[in-house]
Amino acid sequence: EVQLVESGGGLVQPGGSLRLSCAVSGFTFNTYGMNWVRQAPGKGLEWLSYITSSSGSMYYADSVKGRFIISRDNAKDSLYLQMNSLRAEDTAVYYCARGNSAIGVWGEGTTVIVSS
Amino acid sequence: DIQMTQSPSSVSASIGDRVIITCRASQGISSWLVWYQQKPGKAPKLLIYAASSLQSGVPSRFSGSGSGTEFTLTISSLQPEDFATYYCQQTDSFPRTFGQGTKVEIK
Repeated sequence: EVQLVESGGGLVQPGGSLRLSCAVSGFTFNTYGMNWVRQAPGKGLEWLSYITSSSGSMYYADSVKGRFIISRDNAKDSLYLQMNSLRAEDTAVYYCARGNSAIGVWGEGTTVIVSS
Repeated sequence: DIQMTQSPSSVSASIGDRVIITCRASQGISSWLVWYQQKPGKAPKLLIYAASSLQSGVPSRFSGSGSGTEFTLTISSLQPEDFATYYCQQTDSFPRTFGQGTKVEIK
């Protein structure tokens, strides 16, 4: 069974940092590009970042460029999102998601709350 | 960046109704358009990719059409399980962008 399981969410103060992880199973991780997508409470989906299968290229939304870093460890079947300089508006459910031209597999999400 | 605009933002419909949701791109994206369905508290689910290709396992009452800048998602006969929010996403270029969503509600 294909699975994506996010972890690392929690409560963090404004200006703080957090590292999200996504453990995958059930497919050959090193052949797929991966994304992070978030959803603020009561709001729509926001695509954040994409990394190619070999980590050769990374892309970011303007809203997180320079603050967030996407990475992966193919040996550990894991995807990461390092989030720095967090703001209240970064409060959201963060989804790990597989795919490039279409996102066919999603995790259940991990919640990040940025508040003092 | 490519902006995606969905209309309407919400629609009230009855079981058996035909529902059409429109998505417009701020510039041409060929057929690089994806539709997702999301229910409350759940992750999105892929419905349509490449503008008109039905994802495996998705009921045939869902269909997509369009190319360039104008796209539509059609639910031919609304079923109880279809009440949800629908999002389009362009996958033509980075940054990928979603539409703001269309909530399909019970009339």
